[in-house]
Amino acid sequence: ETAVFQTPNYHVTQVGNEVSFNCKQTLGHDTMYWYKQDSKKLLKIMFSYNNKQLIVNETVPRRFSPQSSDKAHLNLRIKSVEPEDSAVYLCASSPGRNYEQYFGPGTRLTVL
Amino acid sequence: GDSVTQTEGQVALSEEDFLTIHCNYSASGYPALFWYVQYPGEGPQFLFRASRDKEKGSSRGFEATYDKGTTSFHLRKASVQESDSAVYYCALGDMSNYNVLYFGSGTKLTVEP
Repeated sequence: ETAVFQTPNYHVTQVGNEVSFNCKQTLGHDTMYWYKQDSKKLLKIMFSYNNKQLIVNETVPRRFSPQSSDKAHLNLRIKSVEPEDSAVYLCASSPGRNYEQYFGPGTRLTVL
Repeated sequence: GDSVTQTEGQVALSEEDFLTIHCNYSASGYPALFWYVQYPGEGPQFLFRASRDKEKGSSRGFEATYDKGTTSFHLRKASVQESDSAVYYCALGDMSNYNVLYFGSGTKLTVEP
């Protein structure tokens, strides 16, 4: 049963363009996350939002910015993409500390 | 900083073989430990977790025991099936940081029929 939705599934763009990815969760969770999965399948935390407040920013480049309208939505904007941004971006949500996270299917970004 | 090490990048087994994937962690505090599984084209799925020393987590025939002494959380299954083929991730949850997960590098399990 899918409860974390991400759009689009895939996106191909040119260097320097701006892109935006959407994430919505229907679980009623308070905390949402963005992770990056690179071509070697390494997963790294990028951002975390708790009740619309940014609580973690793991030294990602400034061209990345999370945006949230309410606790069910967390979008990710990349202002000027670079080739190293090619990856799968995974959104997740959690009911709180010490609980598991539920992941969406991911958005695959290819930067040409 | 907190980190997780998975020593096996790939594991190839036959059905009904015994599985062990090693996971060791490094953390300043007392983290929660997790195993996730990822199938092609999907996001990681939670398998189970353990939050304190000697606690055993288990799901779908997989199990792991939190060992604070050896800082380990090794994944085991007595008899694997072809459908278990996937990438397995060990992860550490930073409880002081809203449970941000730090993942190991993943282990690709291939089970031949």
